[in-house]
Amino acid sequence: DQQVKQNSPSLSVQEGRISILNCDYTNSMFDYFLWYKKYPAEGPTFLISISSIKDKNEDGRFTVFLNKSAKHLSLHIVPSQPGDSAVYFCAASGSNDYKLSFGAGTTVTVRA
Amino acid sequence: GAGVSQSPSNKVTEKGKDVELRCDPISGHTALYWYRQRLGQGLEFLIYFQGNSAPDKSGLPSDRFSAERTGESVSTLTIQRTQQEDSAVYLCASSLSQGGSPLHFGNGTRLTVT
Repeated sequence: DQQVKQNSPSLSVQEGRISILNCDYTNSMFDYFLWYKKYPAEGPTFLISISSIKDKNEDGRFTVFLNKSAKHLSLHIVPSQPGDSAVYFCAASGSNDYKLSFGAGTTVTVRA
Repeated sequence: GAGVSQSPSNKVTEKGKDVELRCDPISGHTALYWYRQRLGQGLEFLIYFQGNSAPDKSGLPSDRFSAERTGESVSTLTIQRTQQEDSAVYLCASSLSQGGSPLHFGNGTRLTVT
């Protein structure tokens, strides 16, 4: 039962342009959302998070948007840089839940 | 070290053998998780430890899988009588507490069962 879905397995974007990664969830009890970034042969690293009381959280080049009514969140990276080429995982949990449910990931390739 | 440490980084084993994977969490992190990632798939929750509480084993796929943690330190994940479908990257993560704290992952153990 995939509660967190990333329907785009890959994304290719030109350096300097915006990368938009999408994530949908089905569990209405989720109220904490995170994005992780993963390079090959390394573990995922925390990138940015958002709680359900907000609809936007920004950290430098990274912004996460949350649309609770649509059960949808997105990650914007602008401007995209070659070092952003990685797999990005969307994850979610409930406030009283310790388990993170992860999406299948989106592989981002930033072209020079 | 500063991060979550896992060993071995790679393990190739024959079908039917037992394997043991090790995780050293970040010092002071009370919560410890095991996840696995099969090829082309997302991270799948396996087991969760929080302090001295009973672990949440709800994600373990079969009774061939077991895990232990001594206090708030090292954890071992044991897979008995390995099968080819057990081939995956096994990721350990730790966090300060449950709920709302980002997980800090190790680099994983890539297990290949031949």
